[in-house]
Formats: sequence, C-alpha cells, structure tokens
Amino acid sequence: DTAVSQTPKYLVTQMGNDKSIKCEQNLGHDTMYWYKQDSKKFLKIMFSYNNKELIINETVPNRFSPKSPDKAHLNLHINSLELGDSAVYFCASSHMGEQYFGPGTRLTVT
Amino acid sequence: GENVEQHPSTLSVQEGDSAVIKCTYSDSASNYFPWYKQELGKRPQLIIDIRSNVGEKKDQRIAVTLNKTAKHFSLHITETQPEDSAVYFCAATRGSFDEKLTFGTGTRLTIIP
Repeated sequence: DTAVSQTPKYLVTQMGNDKSIKCEQNLGHDTMYWYKQDSKKFLKIMFSYNNKELIINETVPNRFSPKSPDKAHLNLHINSLELGDSAVYFCASSHMGEQYFGPGTRLTVT
Repeated sequence: GENVEQHPSTLSVQEGDSAVIKCTYSDSASNYFPWYKQELGKRPQLIIDIRSNVGEKKDQRIAVTLNKTAKHFSLHITETQPEDSAVYFCAATRGSFDEKLTFGTGTRLTIIP
C-alpha cells in the first residue's frame, strides 16, 4: 500500500539518450511534483501539477517534459540526457502543503 | 518569492544531548512549516510540522517552535539517539495548492555514540 511510488529506482544511461521516470500516488492528492536532488543534497523543485494541469515550472531545460495522464500519475521524460542530469529525482504529492515523497530514482548519465 | 535559510549545515551531538536546527523565512504570508528527515539513500519523510496559528508543537522527542514576528522556526530534538543521524530539511509555504514548498539547504546531523 505504498503511498507514492516511482519506477525505476535506478537508471544508468549514456549521454544523448532519452529516458522516462514514472510516478504514481494512491493518496488521492490533487497536487504532484518533481524534485531534483543533487550531490550536495539540495532539493530543487522542477514542476508541479494540480489535477493534471501544470502550475509550477521552474527554470528547467525544455529537455525535461512532465506529463500527467490523470491526477494520480506524473511522469517525467528527459530528452538528450547530459552528464549534469545525474541526480536523484523525487516525485511527491501533497494536500494542504503536506508533501509525501516517493522513494526516488537515481539517474546516472555516463 | 520565498527564501528559506537553514543553519547549521552540519551538526554533531553526543548521544543523549539535544540538537537544535534553525530556519528563517522571508515571505510573511507563509503559514505552513514542515520538517523533513532524510536518511542515507532514503526519501525525505515528514517528521513534524507547524501552522502559523500555533507557536509550538511537540511529538515525543521532537518539537518545533515558530516565531512569526521574527520569521524564524526551529526544530528541537531531545535525548538524541543514533537513529536520529540524518539530513534534516526545513520548509515553508503559503499552503495553497499553487504555492510551492521552499526548502532550506539541509542540516546533516550526526549523533556520536
């Protein structure tokens, strides 16, 4: 009965490839997020969706494209991967500010 | 936009002693202040939160205090144990659905046995 789940947990790929990360939440929350956590542990918000609509889009390269097929799912597609994209990507969902994170996807670009 | 500063960045505490982590925020409209604990290789997990209508909240060994006038809030951990070792993040938000959670830069807490 995992609240927020992500797949895959680990992703190792070469520069230039395209990859996707999937996220699902069963909490019934309307708002979902993608965060990037770099090696220094800083948590940076990338995108936020409310009820399938994009509401926050931080300064993120347009190689990153989120997609929300329904309010329980928020996927992240990354085109033309670069070395600097290596990080842990966390999905989260929230209600009234309380955010719950997924287990994270460790992306390594070689 | 909101800006959250967190101090210290690292903190080492003898087991059994108390630990205090402090955060300041800039947006006076922020009204929800959660704290997250992230153990090595794990997800950030909400451990305690406080809303602007209260000044203090306690849950067993952890407590959070909020000073809205000074725009700062603190996490207090008493009787620290080795399992308290983790990175702790504070955050602030206005709390509505279209307001993002702004995180502090994290504090790495190490409990020395």
